[in-house]
Amino acid sequence: EIVLTQSPDVQSVTLKERVTITCRASQSIGSTLHWYQQKADQSPKLVIKYASQSVSGVPSRFSGRFSGTDYTLTISSLEAEDVATYYCHQGTSPITFGQGTRLDIK
Amino acid sequence: QVQLQESGPGLVKPSGTLSLTCAVSGGSISTTTWWTWIRQPPGKGLEWIGEIYESGLTNYNPSLKSRVTMSVDKSKNHFSLTLSSVTAADTAMYYCANKYTTYYIDWGQGTRVTVSS
Repeated sequence: EIVLTQSPDVQSVTLKERVTITCRASQSIGSTLHWYQQKADQSPKLVIKYASQSVSGVPSRFSGRFSGTDYTLTISSLEAEDVATYYCHQGTSPITFGQGTRLDIK
Repeated sequence: QVQLQESGPGLVKPSGTLSLTCAVSGGSISTTTWWTWIRQPPGKGLEWIGEIYESGLTNYNPSLKSRVTMSVDKSKNHFSLTLSSVTAADTAMYYCANKYTTYYIDWGQGTRVTVSS
């Protein structure tokens, strides 16, 4: 089973701040890593697919990149609507998710 | 994109069986995709339960495999989950989702299941 470890678990942020969340895979998975945003009492929503590909309808301030087994999700300028918990996900069976990174407003 | 809607009992007794259905609308269940169940215990992260192809082929989470069964009903355009011998640890929000290649683009709104006597 591929373990995904996100950091940090919780990040206190301010509006307009550049935010970076990291996900490390326990073994190589190439670009088969996706990011989801989950707001309170809502279902998760895909924000980045295949590590760095944009998703239709998602603001361009969201971006992703990876190097080896380290993946990052970046929000270039945080908006209030971006406050949520973010999960990484790898698509090789058995499918696994990171433990989540919660963004809190300072 | 399709719309997904979970349904089933919100309360299940310990040692009982949890049964949920996910209705698919806006498209046919007989498409080249994996229909998936994911759960989220209160205040915790996402856990993949398993997936089923329209042909009936399944993949289950090894940690749940002995207790999980999934099925597809093409006549009703829905798929189902049963989880046997439930305990309090199975209390969670249960989501169904549609996997496109390797990511989930469509999600249901979730149904909350509590295991309690």
